[in-house]
Amino acid sequence: AQSVSQHNHHVILSEAASLELGCNYSYGGTVNLFWYVQYPGQHLQLLLKYFSGDPLVKGIKGFEAEFIKSKFSFNLRKPSVQWSDTAEYFCAVIGNFGNEKLTFGTGTRLTIIP
Amino acid sequence: GAGVSQSPSNKVTEKGKDVELRCDPISGHTALYWYRQSLGQGLEFLIYFQGNSAPDKSGLPSDRFSAERTGGSVSTLTIQRTQQEDSAVYLCASKRRESYEQYFGPGTRLTVT
Repeated sequence: AQSVSQHNHHVILSEAASLELGCNYSYGGTVNLFWYVQYPGQHLQLLLKYFSGDPLVKGIKGFEAEFIKSKFSFNLRKPSVQWSDTAEYFCAVIGNFGNEKLTFGTGTRLTIIP
Repeated sequence: GAGVSQSPSNKVTEKGKDVELRCDPISGHTALYWYRQSLGQGLEFLIYFQGNSAPDKSGLPSDRFSAERTGGSVSTLTIQRTQQEDSAVYLCASKRRESYEQYFGPGTRLTVT
């Protein structure tokens, strides 16, 4: 069965710091990878996605992620965070193309200190 | 356009009661998913509907949980004889058939006392 690991449970950064959130997945076949964000009091929103092609994908609000197949990783990065990036971030994978359900990691809570 | 909507936004119920949670997907989206977000388990898949096909119920945690989707649109998740461990946020998502991108609703926060 597919699984997703997010090793950082809570990350605290100052504004303008660089961010990298780890995501590793376990699935032997072709995968589609996602990062979702949940801002305080808001619903889950898609931040970026990887299906195929260029392994470096860019999303909204200056976020990017790199798919490294050999490491089964899809880490999220942002060169300079803002206070408004405070949120919970979820990595997810679709590996079962029967129902295309999302398998989520446990999430990383990001707190940005002004 | 309008996003996925869910009702109620909050529901408090007594242990042993039945509850119904509603999801209105985005118009034209043929696929609909229910997920559960809880402190102990994170985000878990519950059930999937695609068009008129039989639903994939593989994520339902017990036979107290059921869901239906009427007319290929609105879906209702029913939890019978609620238990305290059912307390969670229940999320609905929908997508177009040809896309992998799921759009989530705001969720229903269920508290079982």
